[in-house]
Amino acid sequence: NAGVMQNPRHLVRRRGQEARLRCSPMKGHSHVYWYRQLPEEGLKFMVYLQKENIIDESGMPKERFSAEFPKEGPSILRIQQVVRGDSAAYFCASSTSGGASYEQYFGPGTRLTVT
Amino acid sequence: AQTVTQSQPEMSVQEAETVTLSCTYDTSENNYYLFWYKQPPSRQMILVIRQEAYKQQNATENRFSVNFQKAAKSFSLKISDSQLGDTAMYFCAFMKPHFGNEKLTFGTGTRLTIIP
Repeated sequence: NAGVMQNPRHLVRRRGQEARLRCSPMKGHSHVYWYRQLPEEGLKFMVYLQKENIIDESGMPKERFSAEFPKEGPSILRIQQVVRGDSAAYFCASSTSGGASYEQYFGPGTRLTVT
Repeated sequence: AQTVTQSQPEMSVQEAETVTLSCTYDTSENNYYLFWYKQPPSRQMILVIRQEAYKQQNATENRFSVNFQKAAKSFSLKISDSQLGDTAMYFCAFMKPHFGNEKLTFGTGTRLTIIP
């Protein structure tokens, strides 16, 4: 059973470009969480999605950021018109619905660098 | 809103010694879960240990154990017989399940270095 997959692992964008980060959850997992880790900081929750639904986006910046988890395919975190402050590692995690262990399985992260 | 505080930005210890990492949290909830995650240089987040707040018994996983003090809202991690592979960032995290939403609130981390 493959783990959570994220691609690309590294992404370089110039200011003003768009960044698309992909996350494929573990097989059988229907819940996806996105977290952002700024340099030398802990992870901060951004958004929680289930298939075709955004459940909680309370940690998402109001502008330029969006997320989706379509019925088919990976979850996408999209950042429009990137700025230098968007440079960070973005992690996604997946879990089962109401799993007894409440364990989230993390992907390896995408390191976004904005030049 | 819940907050998680890790007051030790960096720690170092000799190989084979025991080290304790501290974590405190603030919540008005009664039922919740606490976690320690390890992030080695590869940056992969690895679950080390989990504690359910309703359980009085402290969780243990091989060389890793916790000291959970619910009244004091303290959740420290003890690593026994430390090994070079334990060198990593360690994050304490809080979770209160809410209608299937299990988002984690992380502390700022402790950078642990095991010295050969």
